[in-house]
Amino acid sequence: AQSVTQLDSQVPVFEEAPVELRCNYSSSVSVYLFWYVQYPNQGLQLLLKYLSGSTLVKGINGFEAEFNKSQTSFHLRKPSVHISDTAEYFCAVTTWTGNQFYFGTGTSLTVIP
Amino acid sequence: GAGVSQSPSNKVTEKGKDVELRCDPISGHTALYWYRQSLGQGLEFLIYFQGNSAPDKSGLPSDRFSAERTGGSVSTLTIQRTQQEDSAVYLCASSQSFNLFFGSGTQLSVL
Repeated sequence: AQSVTQLDSQVPVFEEAPVELRCNYSSSVSVYLFWYVQYPNQGLQLLLKYLSGSTLVKGINGFEAEFNKSQTSFHLRKPSVHISDTAEYFCAVTTWTGNQFYFGTGTSLTVIP
Repeated sequence: GAGVSQSPSNKVTEKGKDVELRCDPISGHTALYWYRQSLGQGLEFLIYFQGNSAPDKSGLPSDRFSAERTGGSVSTLTIQRTQQEDSAVYLCASSQSFNLFFGSGTQLSVL
């Protein structure tokens, strides 16, 4: 089975500062990796995904993530955050079967004006 | 439809009662998932349907939980004899090309 660890439950950051949300995974087989975002009072939506190819993946709203197989990580980054980025961020992993997506416990990002 | 639709959006029930939660996936999506999200927790996998294959029920927490998917489309999650620990947001998602599209969820409160 696979598992996901999000090391930071809460991350406060000032507006226009850079941010990194950390995600590590565990798996004995090749994985596909995802970041989802949940804005206040909204459903989850896909930010970005890594299936294959370039290890640097760009997503919506200026976010990007880098797949590092040796460190089993898929950290999410943004060079300059906005107030509107305040949300809960979830890292997820699955395999080629796609029968289960394993989610981390989430990181609450709060952008401070 | 335009997205995944779940009903009801909120359900308050008494301990011991049965509840049914409904999910209408995006038309054409063959994969459907149910997850449970508790306060401060991640998403807990419950069950997965793929086309006409037997569902993956490995995440159902007890035999009080069951789900079905009729005609490869609408799905119903049933919780029998509800307990207070069943209180959570129940999320449905349908999938295409490894993209999960989530509904807004059903907030279940068991009193």
